[in-house]
Amino acid sequence: AQKVTQAQTEISVVEKEDVTLDCVYETRDTTYYLFWYKQPPSGELVFLIRRNSFDEQNEISGRYSWNFQKSTSSFNFTITASQVVDSAVYFCALLRGAGTALIFGKGTTLSVSS
Amino acid sequence: DTAVSQTPKYLVTQMGNDKSIKCEQNLGHDTMYWYKQDSKKFLKIMFSYNNKELIINETVPNRFSPKSPDKAHLNLHINSLELGDSAVYFCASSSGALAGATDTQYFGPGTRLTVL
Repeated sequence: AQKVTQAQTEISVVEKEDVTLDCVYETRDTTYYLFWYKQPPSGELVFLIRRNSFDEQNEISGRYSWNFQKSTSSFNFTITASQVVDSAVYFCALLRGAGTALIFGKGTTLSVSS
Repeated sequence: DTAVSQTPKYLVTQMGNDKSIKCEQNLGHDTMYWYKQDSKKFLKIMFSYNNKELIINETVPNRFSPKSPDKAHLNLHINSLELGDSAVYFCASSSGALAGATDTQYFGPGTRLTVL
């Protein structure tokens, strides 16, 4: 069975703190895709990053970085020097293959205060 | 240019009514989806269409009927609305099941349905 677990329900930090959002997934597929989406208070779902199962290279994009480790089935997301605008619900999701449904975790609500 | 659009953004209606939500994408994608986000923010697939053909049909009451007039549109019709149907409904699209396709799903802004 496919499953995504985001154990952190809510995280509160003060601006400029670094914060890591955890994501653990379960799948028996050898090829799969992992995603992070952001849902700000305005409600839309914004795509942040996609990672293929065969590509364990970690990625940094500005203040965002992602750590993909197949050995621990984890795909964690770090925000460096958090800002108030980072306040949102962050979803990790698993995709078995093109044209299939995203399997979402329950989301982590991040609150960044000034 | 809006990539995936939905109308209406908000929908308030009485129990028992029939309503539709429309979705359009201008990304040239072949596959479109409907997801439901419940009050606890949990997102779950309802349907997906590839080139106007239904390919995913999760366990959803048959009061919900998707219709795809062409590959750029996927509408959701709901009959006999119930209180439990209150949720946010998201449309999404992706390049679909083509070999080598980058199958990132892009979401519309969501439709918040409130059933009174």
